Amino acid sequence: DTAVSQTPKYLVTQMGNDKSIKCEQNLGHDTMYWYKQDSKKFLKIMFSYNNKELIINETVPNRFSPKSPDKAHLNLHINSLELGDSAVYFCASSQGRQPQHFGDGTRLSIL
Amino acid sequence: DQQVKQNSPSLSVQEGRISILNCDYTNSMFDYFLWYKKYPAEGPTFLISISSIKDKNEDGRFTVFLNKSAKHLSLHIVPSQPGDSAVYFCAASALTSGTYKYIFGTGTRLKVLA
Repeated sequence: DTAVSQTPKYLVTQMGNDKSIKCEQNLGHDTMYWYKQDSKKFLKIMFSYNNKELIINETVPNRFSPKSPDKAHLNLHINSLELGDSAVYFCASSQGRQPQHFGDGTRLSIL
Repeated sequence: DQQVKQNSPSLSVQEGRISILNCDYTNSMFDYFLWYKKYPAEGPTFLISISSIKDKNEDGRFTVFLNKSAKHLSLHIVPSQPGDSAVYFCAASALTSGTYKYIFGTGTRLKVLA
């Protein structure tokens, strides 16, 4: 049983396009996150939602918009993709102070 | 401003020996620390954690040590096994604006040689 699943695993697209990455967790956790791992291997928090409410919003361009239809889902929509958006994006979930569970990542490549 | 640092990008150790991975942090508000292990093409998986009220936590072959005065933690793996070869991330957490925010280091790639 996959605990945190994100789709697609790979995403190759042109500059200027709009794309979405989906994330679902079946652990019953109340908090979900999006992280970006760039070429320097930094794993940086982008957003965090608790029970569908945005609670962490780091300095991320407005082109990135998270959407949480329910507490089991947190999707990431990216408008007008740029070369610098190429990275691996990880979704994660946790309950309270418990360790986070991560998805396997979505590798986004911008041509 | 990198609040959590792993200064060794890579480490090679012989099978059966001890692996020691280090992590330094700058924010004294961090009160919960974690180590994650990551294999290629997979997400990080939780390995072991330690609260700031402790200085040591052990789980099988894995032990985490915390030195609050030095703002330093380390992960010891004894004995090291080839299956331990992976990237190890340390993370630190503090309560920020009513929620727990996690800051990750850049990882140390461990290679255990058979």
